Amino acid sequence: DVKVTQSSRYLVKRTGEKVFLECVQDMDHENMFWYRQDPGLGLRLIYFSYDVKMKEKGDIPEGYSVSREKKERFSLILESASTNQTSMYLCASSPPGHRTGELFFGEGSRLTVL
Amino acid sequence: DQQVKQNSPSLSVQEGRISILNCDYTNSMFDYFLWYKKYPAEGPTFLISISSIKDKNEDGRFTVFLNKSAKHLSLHIVPSQPGDSAVYFCAARPNNNNDMRFGAGTRLTVKP
Repeated sequence: DVKVTQSSRYLVKRTGEKVFLECVQDMDHENMFWYRQDPGLGLRLIYFSYDVKMKEKGDIPEGYSVSREKKERFSLILESASTNQTSMYLCASSPPGHRTGELFFGEGSRLTVL
Repeated sequence: DQQVKQNSPSLSVQEGRISILNCDYTNSMFDYFLWYKKYPAEGPTFLISISSIKDKNEDGRFTVFLNKSAKHLSLHIVPSQPGDSAVYFCAARPNNNNDMRFGAGTRLTVKP
């Protein structure tokens, strides 16, 4: 089974702090994604990566950056956390060429910024 | 600009009855459509998909219907069970990349 592991299930940070959200997948998937889930808005794509050291902006990249130094690891970085970044963050991965492009999600990281 | 829309935030049905969840999309480049199910405190899990060359795909109690001309798809669950209570997300992506877009989700409650 594909396993996508997000390092922290719950985090509480203060405004202005730097926040790292780590995601590791164990199925050698090329594609990795970061979404945030907010009530009434569903899942919105922040950043994605199709290969090591490669990154692409999604719909809402402002205030975020990412790092993909190794194939299995995709990190989301909040350089200076703000209260409007309080959300559920979901990491996902998928193999290339998969017909439907099905995503495999981690359990999520709920971030609260005070 | 939400390219995938689920206009019903919630749906409540009786156990044993049919649940119908609806989804509309605006991007004509979408080629694959997927439904995900999400329980509280868990990540979404893939449920069923359909490609744009089909109008129906069935997997056990779950059937997805696609109407390309109307840019509309629906998920039918028959018969509904209490364990189906979850948030259901509709998602879509073009053929040439994995850039998937999600709807806002519909919370389904199946009452015993």
